[in-house]
Amino acid sequence: SAVISQKPSRDICQRGTSLTIQCQVDSQVTMMFWYRQQPGQSLTLIATANQGSEATYESGFVIDKFPISRPNLTFSTLTVSNMSPEDSSIYLCSVAKDRGRWTEAFFGQGTRLTVV
Amino acid sequence: SQQGEEDPQALSIQEGENATMNCSYKTSINNLQWYRQNSGRGLVHLILIRSNEREKHSGRLRVTLDTSKKSSSLLITASRAADTASYFCATASFRDDKIIFGKGTRLHILP
Repeated sequence: SAVISQKPSRDICQRGTSLTIQCQVDSQVTMMFWYRQQPGQSLTLIATANQGSEATYESGFVIDKFPISRPNLTFSTLTVSNMSPEDSSIYLCSVAKDRGRWTEAFFGQGTRLTVV
Repeated sequence: SQQGEEDPQALSIQEGENATMNCSYKTSINNLQWYRQNSGRGLVHLILIRSNEREKHSGRLRVTLDTSKKSSSLLITASRAADTASYFCATASFRDDKIIFGKGTRLHILP
């Protein structure tokens, strides 16, 4: 298993500002992902955080808006830049242990972001 | 992008009854997983079924997978109030190295 600590757990931010969300895992993991969950909706994959290289973004998400860092195998950050009310969502960090041998994914408790 | 479509979107049943949720997906997969989410926060992994399996059980959960129809079902037997939550299917592709979630079913167990 993997225990994920995600910070902050919630925040209220002014439009036009940026927020950086941290994801810390208690063990080394191969795969780290960032998801967005808008109110009442399912999880949408934003990007795969790659250690030592640029993140791989899904369609509709760009690096300028959601820059991601992953300096090592246990830590990643997601920044939500130049926020607008439409960015109000829960942002979830997820990890999986092995590439190409999928079992379950583990999730942090999420960051509830409100943009006013 | 989202892979799966859950059916129904919402389900209310009496405590003690069985709840069945369905999931359809579009592309080839290596496995399919079901997750539960309480109160819009972290997800809990329930069960995983591999593409070469047809049925799997875990406690009160029963999952089926039909790869020819690209569909799966989750059955919760003898439902309890604590089962009230949102349930999501998620598909994993080794080729794509990611997990894609369906839209989810909101289950409400009535006392």
